[in-house]
Amino acid sequence: DTGVSQDPRHKITKRGQNVTFRCDPISEHNRLYWYRQTLGQGPEFLTYFQNEAQLEKSRLLSDRFSAERPKGSFSTLEIQRTEQGDSAMYLCASSLHPAEQYFGPGTRLTVT
Amino acid sequence: QKEVEQNSGPLSVPEGAIASLNCTYSDRGSQSFFWYRQYSGKSPELIMSIYSNGDKEDGRFTAQLNKASQYVSLLIRDSQPSDSATYLCAARGQAGTALIFGKGTTLSVSS
Repeated sequence: DTGVSQDPRHKITKRGQNVTFRCDPISEHNRLYWYRQTLGQGPEFLTYFQNEAQLEKSRLLSDRFSAERPKGSFSTLEIQRTEQGDSAMYLCASSLHPAEQYFGPGTRLTVT
Repeated sequence: QKEVEQNSGPLSVPEGAIASLNCTYSDRGSQSFFWYRQYSGKSPELIMSIYSNGDKEDGRFTAQLNKASQYVSLLIRDSQPSDSATYLCAARGQAGTALIFGKGTTLSVSS
């Protein structure tokens, strides 16, 4: 399978704990995006990498959120001191050009 | 604030009919438009992209763009029960890279 992969697929954590998600983009894609989706809503943009540089961040990405793409390949998204409002599907997408973005299966986070 | 608006539905059509899904966007500078299909509990799947005014056809799907009216639509011909899903409309602005999504329209195709 050469699509975008994400790990883990599901994560249940207690409020206040830190969590980290991983995304592996399509191999030739140099652009990588993180989105968050809650029930009944469309995906909301969080941040964007071109190669290893983080070029754009949404105001949704509070100080508790951090993302990295250290070698321009896989990326990680960390949430510190999780809150119940962080419960959502975290989606990673990649693209070769700015336009067409292809999504991974997502990581569903539940904060109890 | 840049927005993409869709009727949440549900839109119900019988098998074999044409389903028509609509979307409007607020950012006149938007250049690229996309339709994603999302099955319940799954991630969005890109099904169509359109960049210029007019129609673009791909199999049973036709995307239509009218930049003057800031309007995008998706037609699904010969609808099948397997087309039952939520359809997300997305726009990308002139300067940005982020996609702005609507809330999606739920389509139900009955056999």
